[in-house]
Amino acid sequence: ELKVEQNPLFLSMQEGKNYTIYCNYSTTSDRLYWYRQDPGKSLESLFVLLSNGAVKQEGRLMASLDTKARLSTLHITAAVHDLSATYFCAVVDDMRFGAGTRLTVKP
Amino acid sequence: GAVVSQHPSRVICKSGTSVKIECRSLDFQATTMFWYRQFPKQSLMLMATSNEGSKATYEQGVEKDKFLINHASLTLSTLTVTSAHPEDSSFYICSARDPGRTYEQYFGPGTRLTVT
Repeated sequence: ELKVEQNPLFLSMQEGKNYTIYCNYSTTSDRLYWYRQDPGKSLESLFVLLSNGAVKQEGRLMASLDTKARLSTLHITAAVHDLSATYFCAVVDDMRFGAGTRLTVKP
Repeated sequence: GAVVSQHPSRVICKSGTSVKIECRSLDFQATTMFWYRQFPKQSLMLMATSNEGSKATYEQGVEKDKFLINHASLTLSTLTVTSAHPEDSSFYICSARDPGRTYEQYFGPGTRLTVT
């Protein structure tokens, strides 16, 4: 059975700092999503990574995919409070989600 | 971007009753839709994959007689929770794939079900 593991599960960081969230998965899939979820809301699509070596950036967030290592990363640069949310990765082929990383950015 | 709607956004029902949740793709035809359940502070759990014109594929451990899924048209899938119990209270989210935009997955706004 496909497993999708995220770490850390909880992340508290100060504004202006950098950090990386990791997503490991157990299949040979080469396609992965990243989503953001605010409390009480549904999911907002951040990135779709469709091949090995794919890198996408939007604002302070950058996502990458290494299909050989079965690893995706979501890097946060110079965090701001507005980035506080829960971030999920999901394998495209069967839409299984990681446990989520709850990010809190403190002033 | 493509929009997926859900109705209702919130519903409260009594134990033993049934409730239907609708998921619509508003500007594309979705041959495949997905239904998820999310408990507080947890991840999304895939319940079933709904294919237009055929029976839904349920994930292991999901009771297909309790969670009835119908995908009667290319823009509408419904989830009916039958004989609801308080433990069915959850946030239900649907998503749909636009076949014209490979691998793009659009999520509905979710339905919060409370069973009293």
